[in-house]
Amino acid sequence: AQSVTQLDSQVPVFEEAPVELRCNYSSSVSVYLFWYVQYPNQGLQLLLKYLSGSTLVKGINGFEAEFNKSQTSFHLRKPSVHISDTAEYFCAVSSMDSNYQLIWGAGTKLIIKP
Amino acid sequence: NAGVMQNPRHLVRRRGQEARLRCSPVKGHSHVYWYRQLPEEGLKFMVYLQKENIIDESGMPKERFSAEFPKEGPSILRIQQVVRGDSAAYFCASSPQGPPNTEAFFGQGTRLTVV
Repeated sequence: AQSVTQLDSQVPVFEEAPVELRCNYSSSVSVYLFWYVQYPNQGLQLLLKYLSGSTLVKGINGFEAEFNKSQTSFHLRKPSVHISDTAEYFCAVSSMDSNYQLIWGAGTKLIIKP
Repeated sequence: NAGVMQNPRHLVRRRGQEARLRCSPVKGHSHVYWYRQLPEEGLKFMVYLQKENIIDESGMPKERFSAEFPKEGPSILRIQQVVRGDSAAYFCASSPQGPPNTEAFFGQGTRLTVV
């Protein structure tokens, strides 16, 4: 069965430092890849998505992610984080394997230290 | 220009009672998805509905859970005879098209607590 792994449950980082949140997936077929952000007691908001084309995808709030097919990864990066980026980040994948339903990682809490 | 609206935001039920969770999709969206989020876990797909039809319920527990999306009105997720293990956040999402779903909008969720 398709799965998504977010290895880090929490990532603490100082304000204005760069950050990378890791996401790996298992699938042998073409995939669509997503990153969502969840602020405390809120719903999920789409940060960015990879459907096809350029493997480097730019999203909102200065985030970007790179699709690496050989490593089956879709890591999220931001060159300089702000206190307002404190939230939980979820990676999700859909493909024919999942009837195109979203399969989710367990989430990574981004903790910004002042 | 309302997004996905879920109500109630918080719901407390005693064991054995029924829980009804409502989801009004973005205006014009006819595809609705329900997800469950347990503490410290990601979301788990439950069911996908398109107006009046259940398209994919592969993530729904076989008993006590049901969902509908009538021609008029919100989508409803119903949990009968709730148990402690049903305590979770339930999220609804809607999209203008079906799978492959590349544009899902999420509500703020209903947090169900079973006491």
